[in-house]
Amino acid sequence: AQKVTQAQTEISVVEKEDVTLDCVYETRDTTYYLFWYKQPPSGELVFLIRRNSFDEQNEISGRYSWNFQKSTSSFNFTITASQVVDSAVYFCALSEWGRGNKLVFGAGTILRVKS
Amino acid sequence: EAGVAQSPRYKIIEKRQSVAFWCNPISGHATLYWYQQILGQGPKLLIQFQNNGVVDDSQLPKDRFSAERLKGVDSTLKIQPAKLEDSAVYLCASTYSPGQGSSGYTFGSGTRLTVV
Repeated sequence: AQKVTQAQTEISVVEKEDVTLDCVYETRDTTYYLFWYKQPPSGELVFLIRRNSFDEQNEISGRYSWNFQKSTSSFNFTITASQVVDSAVYFCALSEWGRGNKLVFGAGTILRVKS
Repeated sequence: EAGVAQSPRYKIIEKRQSVAFWCNPISGHATLYWYQQILGQGPKLLIQFQNNGVVDDSQLPKDRFSAERLKGVDSTLKIQPAKLEDSAVYLCASTYSPGQGSSGYTFGSGTRLTVV
């Protein structure tokens, strides 16, 4: 069954610190997609990244980077030099290609960046 | 391109009343999803449509929730009668082809329902 676990309920850091948000997933499919979304206080879900199960290359986009490791079923997200504007709830999600492609979300990690 | 439109943005009702939410997906998007996000939790799928047919409604409380997608475009989600535990944000999302595209899924801003 699909399952996404974000063990960190809340993280607080001081501006300019690096922070890593953990995501562990479970799936029986060999073809699947992993996502990260940001949900600021305004409530909308902002897409950050999508990776497919055949692409384990790490990705960097500005201050954001993602580490995908199939061996440990993890898809971790690192923010380098955090800023106050990074404060939000971050969700990891999984979509299985053969099961209607619905997104299954983790419980989310609240990130608080203090100045 | 216009995003996924949802209305109303906020709704407050008393328990046992009925309420309806509306979603207009991105033009051409065949798949539409309704998610329920209870405060402090991740979004949970309620129902998935492919065009105007239901693909997955396994987590929809069918005794009180109903949804339809007439003509495979707009969709309406209804709750009747509402309970206190239905207080949540209801998110609509659409996708052209599941898993395709750079982001795959586009979410609306949601409807925040408070049942008192």
